[in-house]
Amino acid sequence: GAGVSQSPSNKVTEKGKDVELRCDPISGHTALYWYRQSLGQGLEFLIYFQGNSAPDKSGLPSDRFSAERTGGSVSTLTIQRTQQEDSAVYLCASSKQGYSNQPQHFGDGTRLSIL
Amino acid sequence: AQTVTQSQPEMSVQEAETVTLSCTYDTSESDYYLFWYKQPPSRQMILVIRQEAYKQQNATENRFSVNFQKAAKSFSLKISDSQLGDAAMYFCAYRSGNDMRFGAGTRLTVKP
Repeated sequence: GAGVSQSPSNKVTEKGKDVELRCDPISGHTALYWYRQSLGQGLEFLIYFQGNSAPDKSGLPSDRFSAERTGGSVSTLTIQRTQQEDSAVYLCASSKQGYSNQPQHFGDGTRLSIL
Repeated sequence: AQTVTQSQPEMSVQEAETVTLSCTYDTSESDYYLFWYKQPPSRQMILVIRQEAYKQQNATENRFSVNFQKAAKSFSLKISDSQLGDAAMYFCAYRSGNDMRFGAGTRLTVKP
């Protein structure tokens, strides 16, 4: 079946603009994760959705970052008033449920470049 | 804070040879899971192998195996009979509940 789909694959925008990144998880997966991958760095956890529970937002770096997950499926990560340090690849992943032992299935990511 | 450390930013191996990638982690939990993910140039992360902390037996998936040393908090990945398609970034990951952490990665080059 289809994997995790992210759009756009690349986004270039000017500093100060808002951006929206989209993630469409694997059908039936209740858990959804957002990560940020900066050049030469590992993955930095941003936010985690599990079913109808309140999301774990502990990884969001500032109040400029927010995420929603509508209807338990598609998620949107929004970055307001973008800064140059926001430039990174933003990866989304999903898993069947939120248990620790389950592997995460990743999308191809969105490469965000802030000019 | 729980951290995951990959001390080798880059590694190189000759095709058909064996290579070991290192990973150490810090945790106060007794129940957790460890993973190795592969990220080829196409960017999509793929699970390579998974280890449950409560299992003493090292996980194996075909040419990939781990050396899990719980007391030492070490979780290395061994790739046997390396192939050109193994060239990628490899990330070690830790998870316990909502605590998910990844190492900075090791770039593996496979020489023909």
